[in-house]
Amino acid sequence: EVQLEQSGAEVKKPGESLRISCKGSGYNFASHWITWVRQMPGKGLEWMGRTDPHDSYASYNPSFQGHVAISADKSINTAYLQWSSLKASDTAIYYCARQSGTYWYFDLWGRGTLVTVSS
Amino acid sequence: QSVLTQPPSVSGAPGQRVTISCTGSSSNIGANSDVHWYQHLPGTAPKLLLYNNNNRPSGVPDRFSGSKSGSSASLAITGLQPEDEADYYCQSYDRSLGGAAFGGGTKVTV
Repeated sequence: EVQLEQSGAEVKKPGESLRISCKGSGYNFASHWITWVRQMPGKGLEWMGRTDPHDSYASYNPSFQGHVAISADKSINTAYLQWSSLKASDTAIYYCARQSGTYWYFDLWGRGTLVTVSS
Repeated sequence: QSVLTQPPSVSGAPGQRVTISCTGSSSNIGANSDVHWYQHLPGTAPKLLLYNNNNRPSGVPDRFSGSKSGSSASLAITGLQPEDEADYYCQSYDRSLGGAAFGGGTKVTV
């Protein structure tokens, strides 16, 4: 089955670090960019950035540049979204999604990881 | 403030037709970027509904259709069914962002 499996919900304190993951299966993981999308409580979807699993190159939405790091390890078919210092405003559901070839749409999504940041 | 603008909500009776608008700018839809649509039920993975303006992935009913003109696009749902009750998002490539831009989402109530 073709799928993206995301890591489980996290509860963290402000200032803590965190890495969440997204594991692909059922397809050639290295052949498709992986994107991360944020959904804050009661809000819509926001594109954060993406990584090419082939070489772990990443590009970012300027709004998220410098606050998160996106990477991938093709040897274990896994992409990552990482924070070095969380803020309460990072509380959200984070989705990973597979980009369809060279087109800018996302044809396969994970179920999301809920990150709660609270003191 | 989302880059693409959608109405917050639309509603219709079973069997009716509803449309959802998606307004962009010269940085995205108006720059000839394709528009894509997603269906999202809270607690589940978003699902690709239409890609490249009006193409349906396998398994998506032909009740869903899309169009694009100028800097705007729209999603039409004909023969509205209870299972269509969900949030719908438009998305396009934005040159200023250098990546994907989403609409704010539209909640469809049946």
